Amino acid sequence: AQSVTQLDSQVPVFEEAPVELRCNYSSSVSVYLFWYVQYPNQGLQLLLKYLSGSTLVESINGFEAEFNKSQTSFHLRKPSVHISDTAEYFCAVSELEGGSEKLVFGKGTKLTVNP
Amino acid sequence: DAMVIQNPRYQVTQFGKPVTLSCSQTLNHNVMYWYQQKSSQAPKLLFHYYDKDFNNEADTPDNFQSRRPNTSFCFLDIRSPGLGDAAMYLCATSRDLAGGYHNEQFFGPGTRLTVL
Repeated sequence: AQSVTQLDSQVPVFEEAPVELRCNYSSSVSVYLFWYVQYPNQGLQLLLKYLSGSTLVESINGFEAEFNKSQTSFHLRKPSVHISDTAEYFCAVSELEGGSEKLVFGKGTKLTVNP
Repeated sequence: DAMVIQNPRYQVTQFGKPVTLSCSQTLNHNVMYWYQQKSSQAPKLLFHYYDKDFNNEADTPDNFQSRRPNTSFCFLDIRSPGLGDAAMYLCATSRDLAGGYHNEQFFGPGTRLTVL
């Protein structure tokens, strides 16, 4: 079974500073990786995903993540964060079981952006 | 807008009193999932439906049951809630395609369950 490790449970940063949220996954032949964001009292929203092709994937709000097979990592980065980026971020890996997809989540990283 | 709806958003029940959480979707997705998310923890998959086929996770307690009467609706029944079942319950859907294409899961806003 797949597993995901998010090493940082909390990351405080100042507004306009760069940020990196780390994610490592257990090695597998084929891997499909996702970052989800959860704002307070809301469900999860897909931020970006890696399925195949270019190892650098981007979201519409300035986040990017790079798939690194040799390091089994899929770290999330943003060069300049905003107050509105304050949320919890979950890295997930998918696996096929019984014909449908299951997501295995990391424990999450709480990003707090301070003014 | 197409979406995943969960009712109620907040549910309070008493220890041992059965409770049902509801999820509906307008996306016409064939797969529906129920996750349990405890405070400061990752969402944990309880079970999912692939069309009408029910798939239970091995470690999901028997206390948790689910029903999917049609494509649009899915229910989570907790037969005898304990204090440890207090959590956010998230419903999600996806459109699973042949060939193992990994599709996005769309999440509802969740129902926060309190057990007194």
